[in-house]
Amino acid sequence: GAVVSQHPSWVICKSGTSVKIECRSLDFQATTMFWYRQFPKQSLMLMATSNEGSKATYEQGVEKDKFLINHASLTLSTLTVTSAHPEDSSFYICSATPSGMSSNEQFFGPGTRLTVL
Amino acid sequence: AQSVTQLGSHVSVSEGALVLLRCNYSSSVPPYLFWYVQYPNQGLQLLLKYTTGATLVKGINGFEAEFKKSETSFHLTKPSAHMSDAAEYFCAVSGLSGNQFYFGTGTSLTVIP
Repeated sequence: GAVVSQHPSWVICKSGTSVKIECRSLDFQATTMFWYRQFPKQSLMLMATSNEGSKATYEQGVEKDKFLINHASLTLSTLTVTSAHPEDSSFYICSATPSGMSSNEQFFGPGTRLTVL
Repeated sequence: AQSVTQLGSHVSVSEGALVLLRCNYSSSVPPYLFWYVQYPNQGLQLLLKYTTGATLVKGINGFEAEFKKSETSFHLTKPSAHMSDAAEYFCAVSGLSGNQFYFGTGTSLTVIP
């Protein structure tokens, strides 16, 4: 149980285009989901906290107009990288906390590798 | 404020030798502590976690970690390294007051045959 999927697993796009990444909790409902990015050989950095039915909370330094987060249902959160540029190339990982469970329980998705040409 | 320090970005051990990956944390509240493993181009897999209770925590794949409050440490150990243990390991902390995870910078484990 407690499986989180991401789609796509990898994507290559041209500079200036937008890319949408999906994060789904497959066997549980998640009121809260999290988005992280990881640069090569570095740790995960929290980008934003996504709450179902409300606006996401962004970490300092993360442009909310560039990284659009939508959490329209209890099993799906999406991250859209708008007008992507090569510096946005990274590994994006989501995690989800099952509704009703301790907020310190997070289950991570397999990640999405974004390459912007 | 919470933070995590992992000493040693790279650790190499011989197959069959003891694995010791170090993690120290700072937290203004009683912490929850986690160790995750990441294989290339994959997400994070939970190895073990400490929330409350017994300070020696056993996880998957023969790993264990001990929460030492006096030393603010949560070092990860495994008695005998296996080739399949080669991966990136992350220590993370979260606090009772929130659900945000703070990750260390990671330790890359190499197992030498």
